[in-house]
Amino acid sequence: QSALTQPASVSASPGQSITISCIGFTGDIDTYNSVSWYQHHPGEAPKLIIYDVSGRPSGISGRFSGSRSGNTASLTISGLQAEDEADYYCASYTDTYGLGVFGGGTKLTVL
Amino acid sequence: EVQLVQSGAEVKKPEESLKISCKGFGYGFFGYYIGWVRQLPGKGLEYMGMIYPDTSHTVYSPSFQGQVTLSADKSINTAYLQLSGLKASDTAMYYCARFGGAAFKNWYFDLWGRGTLVTVSS
Repeated sequence: QSALTQPASVSASPGQSITISCIGFTGDIDTYNSVSWYQHHPGEAPKLIIYDVSGRPSGISGRFSGSRSGNTASLTISGLQAEDEADYYCASYTDTYGLGVFGGGTKLTVL
Repeated sequence: EVQLVQSGAEVKKPEESLKISCKGFGYGFFGYYIGWVRQLPGKGLEYMGMIYPDTSHTVYSPSFQGQVTLSADKSINTAYLQLSGLKASDTAMYYCARFGGAAFKNWYFDLWGRGTLVTVSS
């Protein structure tokens, strides 16, 4: 299945805000309230940080927020901290195959 | 503690088979789908499929249908990923994860294992 499209990398300084985009196709992001975002520190288990486009699991900082416009979902991290440096993946249900697909991942560097 | 614990790293030769385990702790394991996700070296996450331990109902990604076998033993809260006829290109990290959505169209995984590294080399 085709992956959702994310930028390969983003970078910013501590305290700043960044937004990571996730571009889908007709029949996924634009159709279902099913976008999720994962934070992955290498060597650790990936962590769910956003579900159902903008839902935040218990224990996830309010600095993480999700949104969607048309076929593009976005993850915004405000007040960047050093520990936010990680890989971030979006995912969405797609009716093309009746399952979910991941984005290619974005490496966030906190300068 | 609610967690998924995966079996340890494996080194296999081409054509061999492998079965990775994923054991759930701290929640009703049988009542949640368990998904499997592959990460090739330096690449992103790929959804492979998932299984419902209570009934062993399985859903495979078309990309992995016929290539892998999912199974589960709800009596010991454990799901399995079996890979057969291993190739060097199967070298990857394999993650199990708990499906958290109320339905497939609320597609997300809310609990992940730390991964099992599989290396296939002659």
